[in-house]
Amino acid sequence: AQTVTQSQPEMSVQEAETVTLSCTYDTSESDYYLFWYKQPPSRQMILVIRQEAYKQQNATENRFSVNFQKAAKSFSLKISDSQLGDAAMYFCAYRSGYGGATNKLIFGTGTLLAVQP
Amino acid sequence: DTAVSQTPKYLVTQMGNDKSIKCEQNLGHDTMYWYKQDSKKFLKIMFSYNNKELIINETVPNRFSPKSPDKAHLNLHINSLELGDSAVYFCASSLMRGLGLGYEQFFGPGTRLTVL
Repeated sequence: AQTVTQSQPEMSVQEAETVTLSCTYDTSESDYYLFWYKQPPSRQMILVIRQEAYKQQNATENRFSVNFQKAAKSFSLKISDSQLGDAAMYFCAYRSGYGGATNKLIFGTGTLLAVQP
Repeated sequence: DTAVSQTPKYLVTQMGNDKSIKCEQNLGHDTMYWYKQDSKKFLKIMFSYNNKELIINETVPNRFSPKSPDKAHLNLHINSLELGDSAVYFCASSLMRGLGLGYEQFFGPGTRLTVL
């Protein structure tokens, strides 16, 4: 069974600084997707960034980028130029690429990010 | 404009009652999901329907019964509510297969259920 581990329950960053959130996963599958979701206090789940396992290039979305190390099964999220609005719980998630009954998100336990002004 | 909507957003009820949560999506997706987020914020899949067919049924008490009348709707009925059912329940939708954004799961705003 696939598992996702986030070893940092809480992180803190100064406004305008850079922070990296860690995520490791375990799978024997070769086709899969990895995601970072943001959950602000409003509790809405917002997709931040997505990485396809078959792509070697790290995904980037504006100030958000990932460091995808497939062999090490590591998928960290880097937030540059942190803003107050980035304060939220961040979840790393895994999804199999085979569809059907495997088409579910498997979440890590989350990292609560605080942004200090 | 709301992509995935849930009603109600808040539900407070007594132990032993029966309640339902409704979900609707207007994204044209063929697959819908229920996730449960517990008090420690841990998110776990409960059910998934594809074209009204149940395809994922995790280890969930049979007091929970999902129903999908059509591709755009997925409801969750809970019988004999217990204290431990207190949680936030999220509905989500996606395409089963597809490229690009089609694979993303879009979440509803969640329903906070409190059982007293």
